[in-house]
Amino acid sequence: GNSVTQMEGPVTLSEEAFLTINCTYTATGYPSLFWYVQYPGEGLQLLLKATKADDKGSNKGFEATYRKETTSFHLEKGSVQVSDSAVYFCALSDRRDDKIIFGKGTRLHILP
Amino acid sequence: AAGVIQSPRHLIKEKRETATLKCYPIPRHDTVYWYQQGPGQDPQFLISFYEKMQSDKGSIPDRFSAQQFSDYHSELNMSSLELGDSALYFCASSLVLQETQYFGPGTRLLVL
Repeated sequence: GNSVTQMEGPVTLSEEAFLTINCTYTATGYPSLFWYVQYPGEGLQLLLKATKADDKGSNKGFEATYRKETTSFHLEKGSVQVSDSAVYFCALSDRRDDKIIFGKGTRLHILP
Repeated sequence: AAGVIQSPRHLIKEKRETATLKCYPIPRHDTVYWYQQGPGQDPQFLISFYEKMQSDKGSIPDRFSAQQFSDYHSELNMSSLELGDSALYFCASSLVLQETQYFGPGTRLLVL
């Protein structure tokens, strides 16, 4: 079945550091890929998405590129801020069914 | 922009009681999804509805039932509550065939 694997956290970085959160997926079809972010005590917000190979999703300085050859969708940001502290979920959706499958989440702490 | 509305935001129940969670999708969205997120866990898909019909079913206990109404809002009914049902319950909505699901803020259920 479909699955998502992302790097375990927590990840602790200093402000203005470069961020990479690795995500790989397994899917039998051609899924769409997502990154969702959950700030403390809040719900899930869609951060970015990509629907086909080589697509790049971007939002708020975050980027991720759909790599079919490596089945990856790594999240990157060039300069993180304290306000980026949150839990980040990599996820996929297969057109053949409705549900979103989430990775386990990566907790990110940014130190001032 | 209008978002997904969930009510109540917080709910405290005793074991063996019943709870009803409500979800109001983004206007013109016709598909509703329910997810359960246990403490420190990733969200798990429970059930989804399209045009008032159940469209997919995940790991939803038999004690839970859900439906979608003519105005597209949905309700998740939970009976014989157990301590393990304590979780954050998310509703998400989308336009059918558009895979991006937009999540509500969640209902935090605590079973004592």
